[in-house]
Amino acid sequence: EVQLVESGGGLVQPGRSMKLSCAASGFTFNNYDMAWVCQAPKKGLEWVATISYDGSSTYYRDSVKGRFTISRDNAKSTLYLQMDSLRSEDTATYYCARELGAFAYWGQGTLVTVSS
Amino acid sequence: DIVLTQSPALAVSLGQRATISCRASQSVSTSSYNLMHWYQQKPGEQPKLLIYDASNLASGIPVRFSGSGSGTDFTLTINPVQADDIATYYCQQSRELWTFGGGTKLELK
Repeated sequence: EVQLVESGGGLVQPGRSMKLSCAASGFTFNNYDMAWVCQAPKKGLEWVATISYDGSSTYYRDSVKGRFTISRDNAKSTLYLQMDSLRSEDTATYYCARELGAFAYWGQGTLVTVSS
Repeated sequence: DIVLTQSPALAVSLGQRATISCRASQSVSTSSYNLMHWYQQKPGEQPKLLIYDASNLASGIPVRFSGSGSGTDFTLTINPVQADDIATYYCQQSRELWTFGGGTKLELK
């Protein structure tokens, strides 16, 4: 059974950093591209970033370029999202997802609240 | 960026057909694939993939869900609508990076 479990969310002040993790199991992690998708409270889904199966390619939405970094450790079957210079508008639930064009599997999400 | 436009809400009666539309600002089709996908999300839950590549049913999804379309115009159909289908539905394209529509909230009439 495919499982994706996010962790690392919480309350953080504007301008500070936070690192999210996503532990994957139930599939061969290094065969799949992975992504982060966020959802602000009561709002729709927004794609954040994607990383290729081997980590050689990364893609970001414009609003997070230069502030967020997606990475992975295939030996640990873990996906990461380093979030720097956080803003109030980054407040959202962050989901990790297995990507193959569509996002077939999702974690339960971790809530990041950016507030002073 | 490819922008996906959905109507915010749709009211439907149980047992009837629901048709949810998604229009892309440019084509999301290649010569081989229509790169549009559909998700269902209930409050407090993660999204669930329903349809991939415009018309392929994801694993475990009931056959009352179906998808169609190509180019810039796509449709998710639920027939017949059941009480468990009351949720928000999102389209998503993967032709050029990844973007989601704003979501359509399916409500009971």
